[in-house]
Parts: sequence; C-alpha cells; structure tokens
Amino acid sequence: DTAVSQTPKYLVTQMGNDKSIKCEQNLGHDTMYWYKQDSKKFLKIMFSYNNKELIINETVPNRFSPKSPDKAHLNLHINSLELGDSAVYFCASSQDYGGETQYFGPGTRLLVL
Amino acid sequence: SQQGEEDPQALSIQEGENATMNCSYKTSINNLQWYRQNSGRGLVHLILIRSNEREKHSGRLRVTLDTSKKSSSLLITASRAADTASYFCATDADDYKLSFGAGTTVTVRA
Repeated sequence: DTAVSQTPKYLVTQMGNDKSIKCEQNLGHDTMYWYKQDSKKFLKIMFSYNNKELIINETVPNRFSPKSPDKAHLNLHINSLELGDSAVYFCASSQDYGGETQYFGPGTRLLVL
Repeated sequence: SQQGEEDPQALSIQEGENATMNCSYKTSINNLQWYRQNSGRGLVHLILIRSNEREKHSGRLRVTLDTSKKSSSLLITASRAADTASYFCATDADDYKLSFGAGTTVTVRA
C-alpha cells in the first residue's frame, strides 16, 4: 500500500547510456513532480505535471524528458548520461499544484561511471 | 533558485533535549512547510503553517512563523534517537512550486 513508489531504487550505469526511472502514486493526486537531490542534500525541482500536463519545467538539460501517461504515473527518461547526473532523484505528488503538501517516493540513487 | 535557508547546518544534542532550527526566506509566501528526511529515505511532511498563522503545534513539534522577519523556526521537544534526520523548510511563493532549503542535519545522541 505504498503511496508513492519509484523504480529502480538504485541505478549504476556508464556515461553515455540512456536510462529511465518510473514513478507511480496511488493517492489519487492530480500533481506529480521530479526533484534532484545533490550530494549536499540540496533539493531542486525539475518538472511538474498536473493532470498529465506539464506545468513546471525548470532549467534542466533537454537530455531529461518527463512523460506522464496518466495522472498516477510520471516517468523520467535521461539520454546520454553524464557524470554530473549522479544524484538521488525523487518523485513526489500532491493533491493539486500551488504549494500543497507533497508526498515523496523513496528515491532513485543514480550513479554514472 | 533556492528560497529557504536553514540554520544551523548541523546540530548535535543529547536525547531528551530540545532541538531548534531556523529557516529564513527571501520573498513573500503563502505557506511554509517543514519536512524530515531520514538517511537514505524520501522526505516526509511534518507541518504546514500558513502566512496568516504565527504558531502551530503537532505532537512534539512547534513551528513559528514571523512574516515580518521572513523567518520560521522548528522546535522538537524531548528529542529521541528516532528524531535523527535532516530537516528541510519549503516555501510556497505563488509560482506553483515549493522551494526547499539545504536542510539542518540533526543528530540525537543516546
């Protein structure tokens, strides 16, 4: 009965590869997010979708492409991985957008070698 | 850009003591939230305080908000080993997103 789940939990890959991270929420929320947390624990918003529509698209390289097939799912595809992409990626959801309480997934630890 | 900044960056206390951490922010906000992150886990929402509120309690947590000083504090009373975690403030400033600080790492010693 996990509220927000992510797969995989760990991802180790070589530079230049393409990888995807999947997120699912069973809370019935309308809004989902992707965050990147760096080694200093600074958490930065990357994207947000509300009812499958992109509403936040922060300045991230266009190698990162989110996709929301439905309200309960938000996936993140990363092309041509670079060393600097190594971080923990968190998915989150909220009832609506606009500063509501957010519920976070457990994170995906990405290491690019 | 980062909106909130927590202070101190790290805090070490004895079990049973109180822990206080502060958050300062730059622009007007609709609400301010505090989250906890245990090592290797996702963030967990603790408390939300709206801009027209000054103080809020939840169990052993007490949050204050001073909009004139653009600051908030989180007090954890009678700390336990399980309170060992990083604590983040997050502000909602009318741009459809939360802006998080870099967190305060709290260590509770037995």
